[in-house]
Amino acid sequence: DVKVTQSSRYLVKRTGEKVFLECVQDMDHENMFWYRQDPGLGLRLIYFSYDVKMKEKGDIPEGYSVSREKKERFSLILESASTNQTSMYLCASSSRTSGSLGETQYFGPGTRLLVL
Amino acid sequence: GNSVTQMEGPVTLSEEAFLTINCTYTATGYPSLFWYVQYPGEGLQLLLKATKADDKGSNKGFEATYRKETTSFHLEKGSVQVSDSAVYFCALSDRAGNTPLVFGKGTRLSVIA
Repeated sequence: DVKVTQSSRYLVKRTGEKVFLECVQDMDHENMFWYRQDPGLGLRLIYFSYDVKMKEKGDIPEGYSVSREKKERFSLILESASTNQTSMYLCASSSRTSGSLGETQYFGPGTRLLVL
Repeated sequence: GNSVTQMEGPVTLSEEAFLTINCTYTATGYPSLFWYVQYPGEGLQLLLKATKADDKGSNKGFEATYRKETTSFHLEKGSVQVSDSAVYFCALSDRAGNTPLVFGKGTRLSVIA
């Protein structure tokens, strides 16, 4: 069965802290994605990666960075957490059939981050 | 650019009522279309998809038909249950596959007994 796991379901951090959110998939997928979900704004794409060590900015990359050192793992980093980064963070992965970024995405359960 | 517009929520229905959630899209060419569902406290999961015009996707009693002439992919269910309470997202994938999925903002459905 397809599985995407995220390191934490709930996280509380202080302003200015460096925060790591980890995502692991077991489907040998090439593409991985990080979104944030906020009420009234839907899903917004932060970063995505189509291969190991490759990354592309999404719609709202400011204040975030990512790391993809292994195919199965995609990390989202908040360099200096701020209160406006309080949100639900969702990771997803998809296969890269024919080089596509648009295949069905499989999502993790999400990490609800509170920055105080 | 590509975009998806969903009806605003929340939608509140009684059990066994008929459900329609509207979704229209703007895209060049002929995209693939998806409906995802997010149950409380969970991530999104694929509900159904359609890859070409006039295709009908279906799953768990939900259906949606890819209408090229009206650029729509409306989600329907004949008789909703309390367990269908969730947030529903419409999404598209452009045919070239050069960009990730584009999601609508989601529609929250509450079904009351």
